[in-house]
Amino acid sequence: QQQVKQSPQSLIVQKGGISIINCAYENTAFDYFPWYQQFPGKGPALLIAIRPDVSEKKEGRFTISFNKSAKQFSLHIMDSQPGDSATYFCAASMQGKLIFGQGTELSVKP
Amino acid sequence: GAGVSQSPSNKVTEKGKDVELRCDPISGHTALYWYRQSLGQGLEFLIYFQGNSAPDKSGLPSDRFSAERTGGSVSTLTIQRTQQEDSAVYLCASRRTSGTANYGYTFGSGTRLTVV
Repeated sequence: QQQVKQSPQSLIVQKGGISIINCAYENTAFDYFPWYQQFPGKGPALLIAIRPDVSEKKEGRFTISFNKSAKQFSLHIMDSQPGDSATYFCAASMQGKLIFGQGTELSVKP
Repeated sequence: GAGVSQSPSNKVTEKGKDVELRCDPISGHTALYWYRQSLGQGLEFLIYFQGNSAPDKSGLPSDRFSAERTGGSVSTLTIQRTQQEDSAVYLCASRRTSGTANYGYTFGSGTRLTVV
């Protein structure tokens, strides 16, 4: 019930394309769903986050889509750039504690 | 400071030795977390400190692992009698908390621990 399942494990996208990463959760007590971006040798950095009472949130080229009934949420990266190549983690929060997905390694080819 | 500071950045230790990893959170952040990231894996929750409350130790993998947070600021994660499976990057994060608001974690760059 504490798990957050993330897919795919790795993703290759051409420059200018759309990158889509999916996550699913079981525990309906989760109340906050952030996405983190991690570059090699660095700690994860908050990218964008959503609450379960909102179905979509957009910040620049990054959009979270949230489906409460299906207990799924996804990250869309529009117009993907080589600089977006990184590992992306979804997470879900309950009682102040984040449970992370396994991560998706994104590679954007020029 | 401007960010979460962790030291050392790299640590190589012999199997069976004890190690201490340090985390300096952002000033004013009342919540502090330790996570472990093994090669190619996600982030595994270890322990969570919130203000003066008792820490949430539910993620510590064995009694060889312990952590403390002194004066509501600096935290030390101690691993006793290290094993090769303890090799990982240990990440610390801090978070500002205020009422019901949800503020994102700020992570440090981690300590890469290698047990040989």
